Amino acid sequence: QQQVKQSPQSLIVQKGGISIINCAYENTAFDYFPWYQQFPGKGPALLIAIRPDVSEKKEGRFTISFNKSAKQFSLHIMDSQPGDSATYFCAASMKRNRDDKIIFGKGTRLHILP
Amino acid sequence: SAVISQKPSRDICQRGTSLTIQCQVDSQVTMMFWYRQQPGQSLTLIATANQGSEATYESGFVIDKFPISRPNLTFSTLTVSNMSPEDSSIYLCSVGDWREQYFGPGTRLTVT
Repeated sequence: QQQVKQSPQSLIVQKGGISIINCAYENTAFDYFPWYQQFPGKGPALLIAIRPDVSEKKEGRFTISFNKSAKQFSLHIMDSQPGDSATYFCAASMKRNRDDKIIFGKGTRLHILP
Repeated sequence: SAVISQKPSRDICQRGTSLTIQCQVDSQVTMMFWYRQQPGQSLTLIATANQGSEATYESGFVIDKFPISRPNLTFSTLTVSNMSPEDSSIYLCSVGDWREQYFGPGTRLTVT
């Protein structure tokens, strides 16, 4: 119930195409859903995030779509560029009594072909 | 966002020894987190370290194996004790809260 399931595990997209990564969760106590981008040799960096009372959030070429009833959310990267090649992690978080908790998906390795 | 540094950036250690990883933040923060990321895998939370209180460990992680110090609001250490090859991983510290976290560059540990 604490898992966040992420797919696909890896993704290859042509430059200029749309990259789509999907995530699903079970625990309805999660109330914040961030996405992180990680380049090789670096720590993950916060990319974009959404609350469950919003169905979509867009920042530049990156869009999160959120389906609360299905307990699913996805990241769309429009006009994908080679510089977007990285590993993407979805996450779900909640505030606990004493400490915060965030659960990460297993990650999607994205490669954009030039 | 905070700037986070970690030392060492990488190390190769022999089994049975211990390694202490340092995490320094450029501003005062309440909560610091320690994660393990095995190669090509996701991030697993080891523990949450609040200044002035004992660290809270996640299921599967114990203080004897991963002691944590949090002496002030800008610094924390994680020790990996009595290492085995299974401890080979990237160890990351982060700061933030339940909504957003900011990660250090990680420490790549190889145990031989």
